[in-house]
Amino acid sequence: ETGVTQTPRHLVMGMTNKKSLKCEQHLGHNAMYWYKQSAKKPLELMFVYNFKEQTENNSVPSRFSPECPNSSHLFLHLHTLQPEDSALYLCASSQDQGGATNEKLFFGSGTQLSVL
Amino acid sequence: GEDVEQSLFLSVREGDSSVINCTYTDSSSTYLYWYKQEPGAGLQLLTYIFSNMDMKQDQRLTVLLNKKDKHLSLRIADTQTGDSAIYFCAESRDTGRRALTFGSGTRLQVQP
Repeated sequence: ETGVTQTPRHLVMGMTNKKSLKCEQHLGHNAMYWYKQSAKKPLELMFVYNFKEQTENNSVPSRFSPECPNSSHLFLHLHTLQPEDSALYLCASSQDQGGATNEKLFFGSGTQLSVL
Repeated sequence: GEDVEQSLFLSVREGDSSVINCTYTDSSSTYLYWYKQEPGAGLQLLTYIFSNMDMKQDQRLTVLLNKKDKHLSLRIADTQTGDSAIYFCAESRDTGRRALTFGSGTRLQVQP
């Protein structure tokens, strides 16, 4: 049990579908992250939220839309994805991104996404 | 090139020591981390080292940092089959962007 829970674990969707990935952390952290992990590239940071405010958007296409309603929950809304978006999407949290430079991340198990 | 580089694969026999290497390019790195990813799971923090340290030991794990050469290594003593996983090196930088930069990961295979 890592304290960071992601659902669903697996998702298959067509290019015209709309789906959402969910992440919940039970660690009392203030910062949450979305990372993309694929076979071709190392872990790519997508978005960062700190105290519910988006602090980083790493040039992610608009077909990925994050939402952070509170410090414990993070969503990634997906629409009109492409096959190259197939990857493992990892959520992470950390105590506080605003101050210390020692940001230990705690990861969820990820959602394995396949876009057909 | 990539900001953080690792070799892709390492194979060792059970009971031997494993050494996983990492190089990074940014001299402003403040903390360096090692994460472990087992199949079907997310990343788990193993250990980290502050950039003004040369070495850190934690049970079977030894982290060595050569800041001059920007080289980080993770030594696993008495490697077990349960250590088979992908190991990621990561760095944080005191440049305003706080999120970690990860290497591509080294797959460690432990043979019985």
